[in-house]
Amino acid sequence: DTAVSQTPKYLVTQMGNDKSIKCEQNLGHDTMYWYKQDSKKFLKIMFSYNNKELIINETVPNRFSPKSPDKAHLNLHINSLELGDSAVYFCASSLPEAGVTQYFGPGTRLTVL
Amino acid sequence: AQSVSQHNHHVILSEAASLELGCNYSYGGTVNLFWYVQYPGQHLQLLLKYFSGDPLVKGIKGFEAEFIKSKFSFNLRKPSVQWSDTAEYFCAVNAYNAGNMLTFGGGTRLMVKP
Repeated sequence: DTAVSQTPKYLVTQMGNDKSIKCEQNLGHDTMYWYKQDSKKFLKIMFSYNNKELIINETVPNRFSPKSPDKAHLNLHINSLELGDSAVYFCASSLPEAGVTQYFGPGTRLTVL
Repeated sequence: AQSVSQHNHHVILSEAASLELGCNYSYGGTVNLFWYVQYPGQHLQLLLKYFSGDPLVKGIKGFEAEFIKSKFSFNLRKPSVQWSDTAEYFCAVNAYNAGNMLTFGGGTRLMVKP
């Protein structure tokens, strides 16, 4: 039974397009995250949501907009895709307390042509 | 803001060799420390974490890490690696005043030769 799932696994698109990545967790966690892993494997947090409310928004272009319809889902919508957006995007979830384990999804490899 | 450094970017070992991967962080306050592993084509999984108490932490698959507060370090060790340990290893820090935000190091790619 998959704990944190993401769709799609691969996404290839043209510059300027708008795309969405979906994330769902069945762990009953209140907190969900989006991370970006670049081509050098460097992993950086983008957003954190707790119970559908934005907690952390690191320096991310406003072309990226997370949407949380309920606490089990945190989708990432990206407008006007750019070449530099090519990366692997990981969703994660955890309990809300500090220091708890974050559980990661399988990642979505986005390639912008 | 906290930062995490992993000085070994690529490590190549033969099976049965001992492993130590370095991790240093910069933050003067209380921290929680993690090691995550990413096997080829897979998602990140927790290897072990330090929250409080005994600074020597044991994780899954024979891994352990030691928190040395005076050195701001949390190095990962395994006495005898296996081919199946080939993966990318990430150290991460959660500063006590940062909620549950994790700051990751740049990762260390470990290749174990059979």
